[in-house]
Amino acid sequence: DTGVSQDPRHKITKRGQNVTFRCDPISEHNRLYWYRQTLGQGPEFLTYFQNEAQLEKSRLLSDRFSAERPKGSFSTLEIQRTEQGDSAMYLCASRWSGRTDNEQFFGPGTRLTVL
Amino acid sequence: AQKVTQAQTEISVVEKEDVTLDCVYETRDTTYYLFWYKQPPSGELVFLIRRNSFDEQNEISGRYSWNFQKSTRSFNFTITASQVVDSAVYFCALTRDDKIIFGKGTRLHILP
Repeated sequence: DTGVSQDPRHKITKRGQNVTFRCDPISEHNRLYWYRQTLGQGPEFLTYFQNEAQLEKSRLLSDRFSAERPKGSFSTLEIQRTEQGDSAMYLCASRWSGRTDNEQFFGPGTRLTVL
Repeated sequence: AQKVTQAQTEISVVEKEDVTLDCVYETRDTTYYLFWYKQPPSGELVFLIRRNSFDEQNEISGRYSWNFQKSTRSFNFTITASQVVDSAVYFCALTRDDKIIFGKGTRLHILP
């Protein structure tokens, strides 16, 4: 049983560079979520998709952030012109919308460090 | 507004002691789900339990137990006979629409 996978697991970049993260959800899951977790905080919602449609974006998602799920399977999260404040763990989760309990299955996360 | 409060930022106990992690939540929804997750140093979120708002039965799973009190909007988590492997950050969380709202977490240190 394959869980949610994320790539890369760690990324170190210099301020001003662009970065892209990938998330592969559990195959039968039609909903995919992105969360961001900064040091000492709980994860915070960024955005989510149902199939390829992006249904909601948090105010945390500035114009420098863009997320896509072009074929309704994997998703990418791109951050342009990274800033030191973008340093965080980026978590992806997925679920099947037919479940009413809202349980989301989380990936291992991508830890971003902006120097 | 939906909110989860974990007032205990950090707790340290000696191995084999019992420890309770507190969680208080706010919501206007009548139907909702509550969760507890464990986050070890590796960073991955490990699901522990899900409870829906209509089920106030307490639950026990091995050394773990949960006490859900709808009247006080609390969903506390107790570890009995703690072990060093229980050291982690624990998050209480609440569903809102299709999102999960997390508390800030409680860092638990189990000292040998």
